[in-house]
Amino acid sequence: SQTIHQWPATLVQPVGSPLSLECTVEGTSNPNLYWYRQAAGRGLQLLFYSVGIGQISSEVPQNLSASRPQDRQFILSSKKLLLSDSGFYLCASAREGGEKLFFGSGTQLSVL
Amino acid sequence: GNSVTQMEGPVTLSEEAFLTINCTYTATGYPSLFWYVQYPGEGLQLLLKATKADDKGSNKGFEATYRKETTSFHLEKGSVQVSDSAVYFCALSLSGSRLTFGEGTQLTVNP
Repeated sequence: SQTIHQWPATLVQPVGSPLSLECTVEGTSNPNLYWYRQAAGRGLQLLFYSVGIGQISSEVPQNLSASRPQDRQFILSSKKLLLSDSGFYLCASAREGGEKLFFGSGTQLSVL
Repeated sequence: GNSVTQMEGPVTLSEEAFLTINCTYTATGYPSLFWYVQYPGEGLQLLLKATKADDKGSNKGFEATYRKETTSFHLEKGSVQVSDSAVYFCALSLSGSRLTFGEGTQLTVNP
């Protein structure tokens, strides 16, 4: 099975500061990769997904961007954080062609 | 579009009580259906799945049956334990691993 490494586990950032969250995957090649956000009291919102290196699809317009510089590395970024960017961010991976998602342990981001 | 609607939480039960968490879906096609569980401070884990009508997914005492006629996939367990306290997400997929999730239902089981 796949292992998803996500860091940091918690992050407190001031408004207007940059953001970089990293996710790496073990146990599979050429996975489909996902970034989800879970806001307090709400469900999971798909932010970005990627089917290969350099291929990023954005689900919703927002203040964030994603990049996939390597096959098993997925990065979530922002140039200037907003208060509304606070939430629990989850990276997920799935085998190419598979349905089962494997999730990382998440990053709790607080923007103050 | 595709969507998943879950029973609103939070749900609080006593140990050994019967659990039902309702889930209904809307989809343009024949989706696969999933239940994921999120324990405190962790990411989500697949709990069970069903890929076609009348299939029953089961795991760890939890069950859910894919009901095409009612577009539902309700999660049930006959006797919950304190360790089942978590957030439960219903989800659907029409295309591989690109899932649409419901809003999640917080379950708390008291001893």
